[in-house]
Amino acid sequence: GEDVEQSLFLSVREGDSSVINCTYTDSSSTYLYWYKQEPGAGLQLLTYIFSNMDMKQDQRLTVLLNKKDKHLSLRIADTQTGDSAIYFCADRATSGTYKYIFGTGTRLKVLA
Amino acid sequence: KAGVTQTPRYLIKTRGQQVTLSCSPISGHRSVSWYQQTPGQGLQFLFEYFSETQRNKGNFPGRFSGRQFSNSRSEMNVSTLELGDSALYLCASSPGTGGAGTEAFFGQGTRLTVV
Repeated sequence: GEDVEQSLFLSVREGDSSVINCTYTDSSSTYLYWYKQEPGAGLQLLTYIFSNMDMKQDQRLTVLLNKKDKHLSLRIADTQTGDSAIYFCADRATSGTYKYIFGTGTRLKVLA
Repeated sequence: KAGVTQTPRYLIKTRGQQVTLSCSPISGHRSVSWYQQTPGQGLQFLFEYFSETQRNKGNFPGRFSGRQFSNSRSEMNVSTLELGDSALYLCASSPGTGGAGTEAFFGQGTRLTVV
C-alpha cells in the first residue's frame, strides 16, 4: 500500500534554514501537502504542490518535488522559534477523495 | 468564515462504553473526513463522507462508524471502547470536489481517553 516516510527530528538555530524531507511510495500521487501541528492543536495546512510541478515558493516556504525519486522537501527560510512544531507530509493520491496518507511527522526544534 | 468545529474537545470514557464525536465543517464544504492520531500509529484515515454517503473507508474495525447529515455535519461513533482507542480524533473539511487547490482543513480535534 501507499506509504509516506519522514525523519523524526530536526534541530536548527534561529535564523538558519530548515529542510524537512519526505519520501512516498505511490507513483500515482497527485497532490502532496505539508501540514504543521503545534502542541495540543489540530493540523494547519502550510502549502501543497501538484505532481506536475517541481517547485513551489510561498513566502518563507519552498517545496521541492522530485517525482523520479518520490522525494518531497520543505525548506523554511529564516527559521523562527515560532516554527517549532511537528511537520507532516501528506499524500492525496486520488483526485475526488480526501483520503490522505500522512508521514510520521518531523519534530522541528528551533534553538534561540 | 468559521473554521472546522469539533465537539467535545476532551472526553474520558470507560472501557466498554460507546462514544459519539461531532464535527461541523466549514460552511459550504460537503466532504468530512475523520482521522485517528496516536503516538504509536501516527495519523490514520478512518473514513470520508460526502453528501451523506461514505466515500472512502480506512482499515478500522466495525466498532468505528460514522454518518453525515444533510447540513454536512458529521458524527463518528466508537462502540465497545478499548484502551487502545485513546487518541486524538481529527476531522477534516473540504469542498469535496477533489480538484486542484481543494485541500482539507482540520479541526482542533477531540482528545478521547479510555480508562
